[in-house]
Amino acid sequence: DVKVTQSSRYLVKRTGEKVFLECVQDMDHENMFWYRQDPGLGLRLIYFSYDVKMKEKGDIPEGYSVSREKKERFSLILESASTNQTSMYLCASSRGTGGQPQHFGDGTRLSIL
Amino acid sequence: GQNIDQPTEMTATEGAIVQINCTYQTSGFNGLFWYQQHAGEAPTFLSYNVLDGLEEKGRFSSFLSRSKGYSYLLLKELQMKDSASYLCAVRDEKWSGAGSYQLTFGKGTKLSVIP
Repeated sequence: DVKVTQSSRYLVKRTGEKVFLECVQDMDHENMFWYRQDPGLGLRLIYFSYDVKMKEKGDIPEGYSVSREKKERFSLILESASTNQTSMYLCASSRGTGGQPQHFGDGTRLSIL
Repeated sequence: GQNIDQPTEMTATEGAIVQINCTYQTSGFNGLFWYQQHAGEAPTFLSYNVLDGLEEKGRFSSFLSRSKGYSYLLLKELQMKDSASYLCAVRDEKWSGAGSYQLTFGKGTKLSVIP
């Protein structure tokens, strides 16, 4: 079974802090993704990566950056956290070819105070 | 870009059949996924359609009509544990690098199964 592990289930940070969310997958998947999920808005793609050190902006990249130094690990960085970044953050991974589904981690519920 | 529509909420009775519809307008299309998400949990993959027709997997089936921009998820013999949100996601035609495709998700349909 694919395992996508996010470092924290719940996280509370303060406005202006630099926040790191970590995601690790154990299936040697080429692609990794970061989404945020908000009531009434659904899942929205922040960034994705199709290879080590490669990244692409999703639909809502503003205020975020990412890092992929190793194939199994994809980090989401909030450069200066703001209250409107309070959300559920979901990481996913998938194989790079064909109709391969994305497999999701359990999510990190992030609150910015 | 993609525009995906699904009903916000549905209610159905245990043992019954329910159909959850998804319509999409896209500039390009390369497949459609259905995911199930229980409250407070991660989405889990249910089905994938890239060609027209019906794909059956046990109690769950998914249908696609590319010409109509339409899909549905059919759940038979409903059980209480089927109470969850069901997410329709369309795979974009644009890709990067080694074949990664973006998914655009609908807002999800919250299904409540009642006794």
